[in-house]
Amino acid sequence: DSGVTQTPKHLITATGQRVTLRCSPRSGDLSVYWYQQSLDQGLQFLIQYYNGEERAKGNILERFSAQQFPDLHSELNLSSLELGDSALYFCASSAYSGGIDEQFFGPGTRLTVL
Amino acid sequence: AQKITQTQPGMFVQEKEAVTLDCTYDTSDPSYGLFWYKQPSSGEMIFLIYQGSYDQQNATEGRYSLNFQKARKSANLVISASQLGDSAMYFCAIGPNTGNQFYFGTGTSLTVIP
Repeated sequence: DSGVTQTPKHLITATGQRVTLRCSPRSGDLSVYWYQQSLDQGLQFLIQYYNGEERAKGNILERFSAQQFPDLHSELNLSSLELGDSALYFCASSAYSGGIDEQFFGPGTRLTVL
Repeated sequence: AQKITQTQPGMFVQEKEAVTLDCTYDTSDPSYGLFWYKQPSSGEMIFLIYQGSYDQQNATEGRYSLNFQKARKSANLVISASQLGDSAMYFCAIGPNTGNQFYFGTGTSLTVIP
């Protein structure tokens, strides 16, 4: 158990819908990262927050947005969902913002768009 | 931009033998970190080992060691005394000092044969 929690574990929805994925980092970690893992794209970095502020952006679509709240939990919002958004979404946390420290991953949320 | 290459899509190893999983990278950052993660069939991502670009010695964590050759830009993972529970996907990742973005390789599927 990494100490990072993600809810829900599974999510099934329809195209065009909007969903919110939630992540709670390990106690004391200030950085939260979001990743998308799909069969064709592999593991892609989406976005990082550090202590409530956006710190880095990766391959995140404009239909996706995220935020980190004062209690350090984070939410990833996916809207206008398409079939290709079906993937495993991971949240990870780390203690620092500098980037060179290990990230601890949550169990993931498996999103299926029908 | 950073790039991580794992050229072995699948590997087999006999139980109790050692195995090396290859990883090469490309980065223009002077300071970076290299990571290995394990993803069993259950889906979670498990941190294994970390090597900083300025570390003089190769990192070791139990049965895992990282064969870091900076000039060749390679960071191979060595698993000694393989166990059946080592069967999983293994991902190499690079985290630069700037930009805070992480890049993952496409992974190597390791199967340990009894």
